[in-house]
Formats: sequence, structure tokens, C-alpha cells
Amino acid sequence: SSELTQDPAVSVALGQTVRITCQGDSLRVFPTSWYQQKPGQAPLLIIYSTTNRPSGVPDRFSGSSSVNTASLIITGAQAEDEADYYCCSRDISGNLIIFGGGSQLTVL
Amino acid sequence: EVQLAETGGAVIQPGGSLRLSCAASGFTFKKYSMHWVRQGPGKGLEWISLIRGGGGGIDYADTVKGRFTISRDNRKNSLYLQMNSLRTDDTALYYCVKEHDTGWPNFDHWGQGTLVTVSS
Repeated sequence: SSELTQDPAVSVALGQTVRITCQGDSLRVFPTSWYQQKPGQAPLLIIYSTTNRPSGVPDRFSGSSSVNTASLIITGAQAEDEADYYCCSRDISGNLIIFGGGSQLTVL
Repeated sequence: EVQLAETGGAVIQPGGSLRLSCAASGFTFKKYSMHWVRQGPGKGLEWISLIRGGGGGIDYADTVKGRFTISRDNRKNSLYLQMNSLRTDDTALYYCVKEHDTGWPNFDHWGQGTLVTVSS
């Protein structure tokens, strides 16, 4: 299929670790990027090429992938991490780009 | 500093046309593929089109193929999106997006977006 599936809502206790997942057949072949979006703001790249973190992104954010599932891991979640998170990759043909539906993270 | 500034959003009736522009600065524009991504009100991100650095190599999402046309002017460091036969479900904030050096789907800079509202 050419879809990326995310859990719509995820929660984590302050300071704890959370994994946000993204599932899709194309992830067996293509890399994933992750974006953080806070209300009223443009998305921000936080992970590229599945596991790489751009400069300026806190090191509590990391990415991994296994088979058809990519993960964004936040180790020691902070209040300011409360946001929507979107995964992104290519579709199964490799020609087009698709986004997951987004996961709204709540930090309790 | 990379800057992307979209303009051209408006309220338009169904069936109408609109042209969005994106002025880019702070990087060598002609080297990078550029994209348009949109976000409907209260909805997620939807990729809609890309154009490679030299202008050749263009793709569209199925939802806009045949209605939207992406183009660029590397002399003016500008990206465009011509939108025809607009529908109410095209209502969205339209972002101009730059690729990361590693290529797509890595998008390292986004504009603030321009709002298109399709309504009668």
C-alpha cells in the first residue's frame, strides 16, 4: 500500500521515554523523516534519513526502523515536546512522497 | 539564513484559479528540488508536488494531478504553483518546502504558508 499509519494520540509522563511509530510497506525500502509541528507553526525537521538528527535538535530525539515500521523515540520527554509529529517517506513506487496522519503527543 | 516566503493565497470560488508564489533566499536555489505541501484546517500534512533543481523532473500527488502545475524561475529564486479547477477540499495552508542536502523526503526548511480558501 502507499500509506503510512500513525497512532493519532500518544501520551507520556514528564521525563519518561516515548516511542511514536509509523507503519507502512514502503518503509521496508525507503528512509523516513520526522517533523514536529506546534500550533500555529510550520513543521520542523527533527529526524532525517531515518536515524539522523539535524543540528540544533535536542539529542533526546532519535529515530530507528525495523522491517516496515519507523520509530521516533523521545528519551526524557519535556513539556515543550508536546506537539504533533508526522512521519514522511516515499510511496511504494518511490516516485511520490507520503506523510503519516500524524500523532498528537501529550506530555502529562 | 534560509528564508521561504509564500504569497498568493486568497478566498476563491469553486472552479476558480489561483497562482501561488514562493520567494527563496539564503541558499543556492537552483541546486535544490522544491516542493509544495499543504495542510487542511485541523488536518495533517499532504505532499502535493515537487520540481527538481533544473526544472525538469516534476511529480504530483494524484489529488492535484491535471489541475495544478508547479514551476520555478531559477533567475528569480522563485517557486510557483498554478492551481486550476479549485475544489472546496483544496482549502488549506500551502507551504513552500526546501529539500535537505540528502534529498527527499527530507525537508529542512518550510515557509510560514499561504492560506487558500475555496468557498462559494
